[in-house]
Amino acid sequence: DAKTTQPPSMDCAEGRAANLPCNHSTISGNEYVYWYRQIHSQGPQYIIHGLKNNETNEMASLIITEDRKSSTLILPHATLRDTAVYYCIVRVATSGTYKYIFGTGTRLKVLA
Amino acid sequence: GAVVSQHPSRVICKSGTSVKIECRSLDFQATTMFWYRQFPKQSLMLMATSNEGSKATYEQGVEKDKFLINHASLTLSTLTVTSAHPEDSSFYICSARDGVANYGYTFGSGTRLTVV
Repeated sequence: DAKTTQPPSMDCAEGRAANLPCNHSTISGNEYVYWYRQIHSQGPQYIIHGLKNNETNEMASLIITEDRKSSTLILPHATLRDTAVYYCIVRVATSGTYKYIFGTGTRLKVLA
Repeated sequence: GAVVSQHPSRVICKSGTSVKIECRSLDFQATTMFWYRQFPKQSLMLMATSNEGSKATYEQGVEKDKFLINHASLTLSTLTVTSAHPEDSSFYICSARDGVANYGYTFGSGTRLTVV
């Protein structure tokens, strides 16, 4: 019952911006969008999250459409170390807490 | 930032035996932790929500008698795979949230379980 859809894979040239799209058309008004990445055989690493405003931190920028049905993660200057699987997650409220339901993710390969 | 430690990182066990995996929040207290399983080239699948001092909540299709979860303190949750079989071989990952910090859940580094 994943609430997000992402392209399975993308390539990006080193030094260029990587734009990773995500559709979350069934998102509710108070549900946040989170982005994580997973490098092979490691636990997922937090990147950024947002509700409705665009967000930026030292790792990336998050652009959320006005209707909140989709978002784009932007890595402004991709490096080889950014090669990973990127997951867009909608946090789901349940029994007094929130849980993450992972979709299939996008496998980003940064090319030298 | 918040750190979640998982132990062991790798374990090999014989079919029919039980294996315990520990998940610790090192610098924060976590009333809730989560356990995931990941098969090769697949996404993470949520198995259960671990609640400190109470029973875990299992996702549909996850056998609670096979995957025993104990969350006896605010910094430790354990997952025990009982009577392990080769099909239980997988990457198990836990996560927890630092309620003070303004970011998402922190994940452990995972445990690679191989049942032979």
